[in-house]
Amino acid sequence: AQSVTQPDIHITVSEGASLELRCNYSYGATPYLFWYVQSPGQGLQLLLKYFSGDTLVQGIKGFEAEFKRSQSSFNLRKPSVHWSDAAEYFCAVGPLRTNAGKSTFGDGTTLTVKP
Amino acid sequence: NAGVTQTPKFQVLKTGQSMTLQCAQDMNHNSMYWYRQDPGMGLRLIYYSASEGTTDKGEVPNGYNVSRLNKREFSLRLESAAPSQTSVYFCASSEARSSGVKLAKNIQYFGAGTRLSVL
Repeated sequence: AQSVTQPDIHITVSEGASLELRCNYSYGATPYLFWYVQSPGQGLQLLLKYFSGDTLVQGIKGFEAEFKRSQSSFNLRKPSVHWSDAAEYFCAVGPLRTNAGKSTFGDGTTLTVKP
Repeated sequence: NAGVTQTPKFQVLKTGQSMTLQCAQDMNHNSMYWYRQDPGMGLRLIYYSASEGTTDKGEVPNGYNVSRLNKREFSLRLESAAPSQTSVYFCASSEARSSGVKLAKNIQYFGAGTRLSVL
């Protein structure tokens, strides 16, 4: 069965500092990988996705993520965090072929940005 | 485009009451999902529907029923609400279709959520 682990429940960074959110997955084949962001009181919004090809993917809001097959990881990064990036971030993994786009979500990482 | 619309946004129920959460999408997506979100537990899939007329259980289906009324609408029903069902419920949709030569399109689009309290 597929699973996703986000080891950090809560991360605090200063505005302008760099950010890395960790995500490890377990799946028997090459998965689809996603990062979603959830602002307070809102639904989830897709930040970026990896399906195949270049292992460094760019997303919205200046985020990027790198797929590392050898480490079963898909860590999310941003060079300089803005106060508006404070939110909860979810990593998700989905199978390459399926009868439906069932994804498995991690438990989320809450990002706090200090002024 | 409205995307995925959920109603109501908030609801308070007494134990034993019933209610239906509505979800509609206007993106012509094939698959629709219901999740619940609880603190520290991420998103857990309750039910999903791969296409009109089909539904399948997810990770936590007990106490819920669903109906895929048509391609646009996917409702979630609580027949006899319990305090353990206090949660935030999210509906989502994706283009994903049955596998074959085409790759599944797994990007999910979420509604804004329904905050449900069961007293």
